[in-house]
Amino acid sequence: TQLLEQSPQFLSIQEGENLTVYCNSSSVFSSLQWYRQEPGEGPVLLVTVVTGGEVKKLKRLTFQFGDARKDSSLHITAAQPGDTGLYLCAGVWSSYKLIFGSGTRLLVRP
Amino acid sequence: NAGVTQTPKFRVLKTGQSMTLLCAQDMNHEYMYWYRQDPGMGLRLIHYSVGEGTTAKGEVPDGYNVSRLKKQNFLLGLESAAPSQTSVYFCASSYSRDSSYEQYFGPGTRLTVT
Repeated sequence: TQLLEQSPQFLSIQEGENLTVYCNSSSVFSSLQWYRQEPGEGPVLLVTVVTGGEVKKLKRLTFQFGDARKDSSLHITAAQPGDTGLYLCAGVWSSYKLIFGSGTRLLVRP
Repeated sequence: NAGVTQTPKFRVLKTGQSMTLLCAQDMNHEYMYWYRQDPGMGLRLIHYSVGEGTTAKGEVPDGYNVSRLKKQNFLLGLESAAPSQTSVYFCASSYSRDSSYEQYFGPGTRLTVT
């Protein structure tokens, strides 16, 4: 069974702090995606990483795909209250289908 | 361009009742999905469709049925609701861009079964 584990499950930090969220698996994925979900809404795609070792930046967010394509991380620099939400990683594990991690709930306090 | 829409937004059912959740997308996407989201368990795939007239089972298909008679619509049915089906249901659509199947989600349907 394919499994994606995210850590930490919950993170509460002060505005301006840095943080890293991890997404790990024993399986190799052809690509991995990160989504952010706000309360009462559906997840919204942030980024897709495809190549082992790939690093992508989206303003203050930095995403990295592990060399072996089994893990990924999301680093946020100088977090702001607007970053609050549920962060989900998802891996493509067969044609057409993704498997999602259980998510990291981030709270950024003003 | 509304993206992915879901109806209804909220619903309360009694055990044994049936209902249909409707998902519509206006992006001409080939692939459509139904997920359920429960606390601490992320999103789990119920059923999916790779094109009009086709459906397939996901991780947790028991107790649900689906139909995709038109490319833009994907229906999820509960024939006899059970309290274990209390959840938030999300529909998503995607297309194959470099085989990444990036998901476009609807706003969700919150279902409570009493």
